[in-house]
Amino acid sequence: AQSVTQLDSHVSVSEGTPVLLRCNYSSSYSPSLFWYVQHPNKGLQLLLKYTSAATLVKGINGFEAEFKKSETSFHLTKPSAHMSDAAEYFCVVRDYNQGGKLIFGQGTELSVKP
Amino acid sequence: EPEVTQTPSHQVTQMGQEVILRCVPISNHLYFYWYRQILGQKVEFLVSFYNNEISEKSEIFDDQFSVERPDGSNFTLKIRSTKLEDSAMYFCASRETSGGFYEQYFGPGTRLTVT
Repeated sequence: AQSVTQLDSHVSVSEGTPVLLRCNYSSSYSPSLFWYVQHPNKGLQLLLKYTSAATLVKGINGFEAEFKKSETSFHLTKPSAHMSDAAEYFCVVRDYNQGGKLIFGQGTELSVKP
Repeated sequence: EPEVTQTPSHQVTQMGQEVILRCVPISNHLYFYWYRQILGQKVEFLVSFYNNEISEKSEIFDDQFSVERPDGSNFTLKIRSTKLEDSAMYFCASRETSGGFYEQYFGPGTRLTVT
């Protein structure tokens, strides 16, 4: 069975400093991995996706993630945090069975201090 | 840009009542999903729907739940007799095809409060 584990439930950074949100995955197959963001009282927005084309994936709003098979990791990074980045971030793996449901991690709440 | 829409945005109901949550997926999408997120918890899969039938459902999706695509545009989730523990945010999602790596597009959610 596939799963993802987000290693931090809460991360706090100062505006302008780098962001690192950590995610490890478990999969019997080459996984399809995603990062989604959820701003307060909003829906889920896709930040980026890994589909085996390239190990370094660039997403929206300056975020990127690197797929490391040897470490079974898919950490999300951003060089410089902005106040508007404060949100909940979910690492997600796609299930290869039947309908391709998404399996979510527990989420990491990112706080950005001025 | 096309988007998934959901109505209502917030539904308050009494325990034991039936509720129907509505979703309009993106028009050329073929797979449809419902997920839920209980406050403070992670997003959980409920059910996937393809070709007018359920393709997969979770153990959460018991006989109290049903889904329907009544008219080719709407996709509904019905809870027959709501319980307090059904209080959650319910997200509808859709994706384009039956293969490939097409991402799921999520609606803004319906917050269901059962009192």
